Parts: sequence; structure tokens; C-alpha cells
Amino acid sequence: DVVMTQTPVSLSVSLGGQVSISCRSSQSLVHNNGNTYLSWYLQKPGQSPQLLIYKVSNRFSGISDRFSGSGSGTDFTLKISRVEPDDLGVYYCGQGTQYPYTFGAGTKLELK
Amino acid sequence: EVKLLESGGGLVQPGGSMRLSCAASGFTFTDFYMYWIRQPAGKAPEWLGFIRNKANGYTTEYNPSVKGRFTISRDNTQNMLYLQMNTLRAEDTATYYCARGGLGWFAYWGQGTLVTVSS
Repeated sequence: DVVMTQTPVSLSVSLGGQVSISCRSSQSLVHNNGNTYLSWYLQKPGQSPQLLIYKVSNRFSGISDRFSGSGSGTDFTLKISRVEPDDLGVYYCGQGTQYPYTFGAGTKLELK
Repeated sequence: EVKLLESGGGLVQPGGSMRLSCAASGFTFTDFYMYWIRQPAGKAPEWLGFIRNKANGYTTEYNPSVKGRFTISRDNTQNMLYLQMNTLRAEDTATYYCARGGLGWFAYWGQGTLVTVSS
């Protein structure tokens, strides 16, 4: 299975600040078709996960441009700028390139 | 508006069976891959499997962790997705979500249904 390693495990941020979350995969996430199926999700307390970013850098419908994804191969980053209270929760990266699809263990974003 | 509503969770004894349902609305059901994902309390999600769309023959893929015990199916006349779970174990205790693709990502998630496997 592809192991997804997220760092840090938790992150404290001031409102209005900027943070980066790293996600590394144990194998390349470049699919045979040339696409890279790396996605990012936010799970707010008591809610289901919601899609933020798909295929590395594509913002999902309705997602603020304060969220940006980047990376390639095995090394990926989610950046959140001008952090707002509604951004708090647990962030997960996930890969959909190889079966079984897998998720990282999560990064908890908290207020400083 | 895309809506996914899971049902059928609850308490089941080890070795028992349970069928979860997911009612889908707000989109053309047959056009999309549909997924099942579970999440134990306080842990990361785990992909269980998916059923492809009409264009890809409604075939299925499973996580080896549940293959042979879990079966995904869909009723395209009712816009329903199902997860049949057999020989349940304590480690199957989790909140179970249905989700709509994306191919390789999960665009919309239901609110989840809790399955507890315990005697």
C-alpha cells in the first residue's frame, strides 16, 4: 500500500497567518495516464471531511483561493493563507493513484 | 445540490452482517463513481471500495482489508448505493461514509452512519 506521511501532526496558527502542511507518499503518485491523484480534505469538528484540492493543485468548487496545493511525484504541500476561524480542524491528504486508495494520518490546525 | 444520506448503521454482534444504504440526489447518479469510506473515531479515513459509473460497466474495486467480506452495489433506478458487510469484527467499528467521485478523489461526502460491532 502507498503510505502517506503528513507533517506536522499539529499546527498552531494566529488568525490571519499562513501555514503549510506537508504530505509525502512512499511511492510516486503519477498515474499511468499522466495524472497525479493527490487530494486534500478538511474535517471540521463533528463534520464529514470535505474536499479542498484535487489532482495536486485544483481547487474544488466553492473553495477559497486562500487554499493552494502544490508538489509532484512523492512530495506535496497544502498552503493556507490568511487563516480564518472556519479553517480550523484536521487536514488529510489522500492518494487515488494506486489501489488501495490511502490517506495520511492528518494534521490538526489549531488557534495559537 | 448534491446530497448523500447514509442509513442502516447501529449495533451488531461480532460475526454478524449489516447492510448500509446511501440515498443520492442532486446529480445524475449513473454518471459517477460511488465510494464507501470509513473512519474509526479519532483516526484517519480508510477507503473501502467503489463501484464505477455506467460508462465503465458498474464494476467494483475493494480494499484488500475488506475484500471478500464487503460488497458494494447500486440501484440506479432508485439512486441508491449499498454496502453489504458480512462477518463483522470489532475493528470494523467506525463511521461509514458514502461519497461521490471524482476519479481518484472524493468530491462529496454524506454525513455518515455509525456502525458498532460489539457483543
